[in-house]
Amino acid sequence: AQSVTQLGSHVSVSEGALVLLRCNYSSSVPPYLFWYVQYPNQGLQLLLKYTSAATLVKGINGFEAEFKKSETSFHLTKPSAHMSDAAEYFCAVSDRRAGNMLTFGGGTRLMVKP
Amino acid sequence: EAGVAQSPRYKIIEKRQSVAFWCNPISGHATLYWYQQILGQGPKLLIQFQNNGVVDDSQLPKDRFSAERLKGVDSTLKIQPAKLEDSAVYLCASSLAADRGGTGELFFGEGSRLTVL
Repeated sequence: AQSVTQLGSHVSVSEGALVLLRCNYSSSVPPYLFWYVQYPNQGLQLLLKYTSAATLVKGINGFEAEFKKSETSFHLTKPSAHMSDAAEYFCAVSDRRAGNMLTFGGGTRLMVKP
Repeated sequence: EAGVAQSPRYKIIEKRQSVAFWCNPISGHATLYWYQQILGQGPKLLIQFQNNGVVDDSQLPKDRFSAERLKGVDSTLKIQPAKLEDSAVYLCASSLAADRGGTGELFFGEGSRLTVL
């Protein structure tokens, strides 16, 4: 079975500061990994994905994530936070043996202070 | 390209009543998912369809939840009778099938928020 752990259910940063959202996964096969963002009262939107190509993945809105197999991690970063980045962020792992079913972490709420 | 459509966006019912949610996936997406997202938690898969067949429904409370995907396109999720703990957002998502090059990227609708009183 696959699982995802997001460390820190709430993260608060100042505008312009580095954003770091942590994600660790468990998978018995090489995974596909995803970060999704959810704004209030909206569905989930894909930020970026890792599908076994480059280990450093760049996504929308200036976000990027690095796949580290040795650490089973896929942390999300952004050099400079913007007020509009305030949202809920979900890390997910795809089980390629089960029709690409996604398993989500519990989410991290990012708050950006002016 | 039209996204995943869901309706209704909001629904308030009393416990023991029934409710149904509808989803229209992105055209050409053979795989359709229903997720339950309880406030403060990540989405939990309820059921996954490949065309009109069920791939995984292991976490669907079958005594009260049912879902169907007639003709392999639209899908409905029904709850009968509803319980207080069913209050959540029900998210529908679709994706390209794995054998068509799908890499697990899901495209989500805006969700249907259910409140059970």
